[in-house]
Amino acid sequence: EPEVTQTPSHQVTQMGQEVILRCVPISNHLYFYWYRQILGQKVEFLVSFYNNEISEKSEIFDDQFSVERPDGSNFTLKIRSTKLEDSAMYFCASSYRGWGNSPLHFGNGTRLTVT
Amino acid sequence: DAKTTQPTSMDCAEGRAANLPCNHSTISGNEYVYWYRQIHSQGPQYIIHGLKNNETNEMASLIITEDRKSSTLILPHATLRDTAVYYCIVLGGSEKLVFGKGTKLTVNP
Repeated sequence: EPEVTQTPSHQVTQMGQEVILRCVPISNHLYFYWYRQILGQKVEFLVSFYNNEISEKSEIFDDQFSVERPDGSNFTLKIRSTKLEDSAMYFCASSYRGWGNSPLHFGNGTRLTVT
Repeated sequence: DAKTTQPTSMDCAEGRAANLPCNHSTISGNEYVYWYRQIHSQGPQYIIHGLKNNETNEMASLIITEDRKSSTLILPHATLRDTAVYYCIVLGGSEKLVFGKGTKLTVNP
C-alpha cells in the first residue's frame, strides 16, 4: 500500500540553526500538509499546500517556517532559525483531494530535537 | 477547536470488540466523521470515515446514528497492537483536520 515517507526519522540541531525536514507524499496525491506534536500534547496543524502554494497556515507557521515542493516528489519544511520550543515530532501528510471525502495519510514523522 | 467529545480512556479485553463512542452534536450536513489512531508517537493512522451510512473496512466498522449526532467505532476483535489513542474528527469542505485529545484505548491480555 502506498505510504508517506519522511526523512530523517530523528534530527538533532543546535538553537539558531536551519533544518529541512523532508517528505515524499503518496504519488497521486495533490494536497500536502505539515503537522507537529510537542511531547505530550495534541497534534497541531501547521500548513497546507496545493498547486505550489500555501492554501492555509496556522499561527504557529510564522516567518521562520517555509515549505517547498522542489520537484515532483518531495515536499519539505524548513525552519530557518530553530528555537528550543521547536522541538517536536513533525508529521507530513497528503491527500488526493483537499476536502471532506478524501482522507489524509500521514508519515511516521521526524523527531526534531533542538539543543 | 475539535467539534467532538470522546471519553478520555477506555479498556478492552484482547479478542473482544472495542466500541469507541464519539459525540458530534453540532455536525452539519456536509461534514464527514473521521477516525484516526496514533500508536505511541507514530504518525496518525487513518482508520475509516463516513457521512451518513455505516461503513466497514478491513480495520473497523463505523456506526453513525440516524441524526448523525454521534458515532461508534468498532474494532471487532481487539488485539494488543490496537492499544493507541483514537481520534474522532469531524471534517467538511476545505477545512483542515483538527485533532482533539482522543480516547486512549488500552487492550488488556
